Amino acid sequence: ETGVTQSPTHLIKTRGQQVTLRCSSQSGHNTVSWYQQALGQGPQFIFQYYREEENGRGNFPPRFSGLQFPNYSSELNVNALELDDSALYLCASSMTGFQGEQYFGPGTRLTVT
Amino acid sequence: SQQGEEDPQALSIQEGENATMNCSYKTSINNLQWYRQNSGRGLVHLILIRSNEREKHSGRLRVTLDTSKKSSSLLITASRAADTASYFCATAVLNDYKLSFGAGTTVTVRA
Repeated sequence: ETGVTQSPTHLIKTRGQQVTLRCSSQSGHNTVSWYQQALGQGPQFIFQYYREEENGRGNFPPRFSGLQFPNYSSELNVNALELDDSALYLCASSMTGFQGEQYFGPGTRLTVT
Repeated sequence: SQQGEEDPQALSIQEGENATMNCSYKTSINNLQWYRQNSGRGLVHLILIRSNEREKHSGRLRVTLDTSKKSSSLLITASRAADTASYFCATAVLNDYKLSFGAGTTVTVRA
């Protein structure tokens, strides 16, 4: 157990809908990163936050957005869902920065039909 | 294309045998990390090796790094059924702000 939690565990949405995924980081961790992992692939970096500000973004469209809150929680929002958005979404927090050891949550499995 | 690529894609070994997997990357790094993932769940950090280090050990795990060849290897000794998982290398590239993951090696340990 890493102390990082994510909710919900599983989610089924319809194409075009919007979804919010939540992550609660470990106390003392001031960075949070979000990843998308398609089946059989490695995690793909979406974006990351430090002190509630976005601090880097991967090759994902603007309909992927996020927030980080003062209480170590964060959100990933995806608008206008597409079938290809079906994946495992992982958040990871760290006390040693974006390139340090990351503590991952168990993930949210999103299925878009 | 991904920064790190693991080889082989899949590995099947008998319990008690050693498992070796490799990671190659393209650009200079600050550090390289290995993670384990069981059955599509969250990743667990195994080892971080810095660019000025050549070898690190943690229990039954041994990681090597060859920056001249831009490659790393992860050795699991005396494997157990519980080692069945996917293993990913992640690179922290110089002048970048994130970790980049490879596609992983799936290891199956047969009893």
